[in-house]
Amino acid sequence: DGGITQSPKYLFRKEGQNVTLSCEQNLNHDAMYWYRQDPGQGLRLIYYSQIVNDFQKGDIAEGYSVSREKKESFPLTVTSAQKNPTAFYLCASIPKGGRAGGQWNEQFFGPGTRLTVL
Amino acid sequence: GQNIDQPTEMTATEGAIVQINCTYQTSGFNGLFWYQQHAGEAPTFLSYNVLDGLEEKGRFSSFLSRSKGYSYLLLKELQMKDSASYLCAVNNFNKFYFGSGTKLNVKP
Repeated sequence: DGGITQSPKYLFRKEGQNVTLSCEQNLNHDAMYWYRQDPGQGLRLIYYSQIVNDFQKGDIAEGYSVSREKKESFPLTVTSAQKNPTAFYLCASIPKGGRAGGQWNEQFFGPGTRLTVL
Repeated sequence: GQNIDQPTEMTATEGAIVQINCTYQTSGFNGLFWYQQHAGEAPTFLSYNVLDGLEEKGRFSSFLSRSKGYSYLLLKELQMKDSASYLCAVNNFNKFYFGSGTKLNVKP
């Protein structure tokens, strides 16, 4: 079955430690995204990547880093520079190109990783 | 900047109809998506509008007016399992901007 996997589902880290969240997809999608969700708030874009070896900052990239060495993988590192890292992190992907007529496809989301920094 | 507004919370009765509104002001527009998100889970796709008008998918319908920067999601024949948050998202070329979500409580 095709899909997006994120692991682990729950992650605990001590303050000051870097932590890497994994995101793997076998949907053959070109574009991948990382979002952060805080209680009572919508999804905020951290980083996105349209193709391998290329990625762009989203609206809240400070304190985060990513890599896109393989099409199917888009790991996110939460560094110690991120002031308030405790949140629910969601990875998403979308196929390249849209629907007929220039319309866009919907994003497919992974199950999320809940990161708690103690 | 990008601004997407939704009501924070709504309550409706099982079997009824509920309308969840979304207004947006974005620098670009390539379509509007509605997602459902149960607590602690990933969002799942419900509907997509890029042209003005109504899109119907079973118990769910979504409407878009681009000139007014307005959309709504209509849920009919509400079921208890519809209790969830509903997210409005605007596509601006490569980026998607999400509202804060509307938490819908369905009561018996």
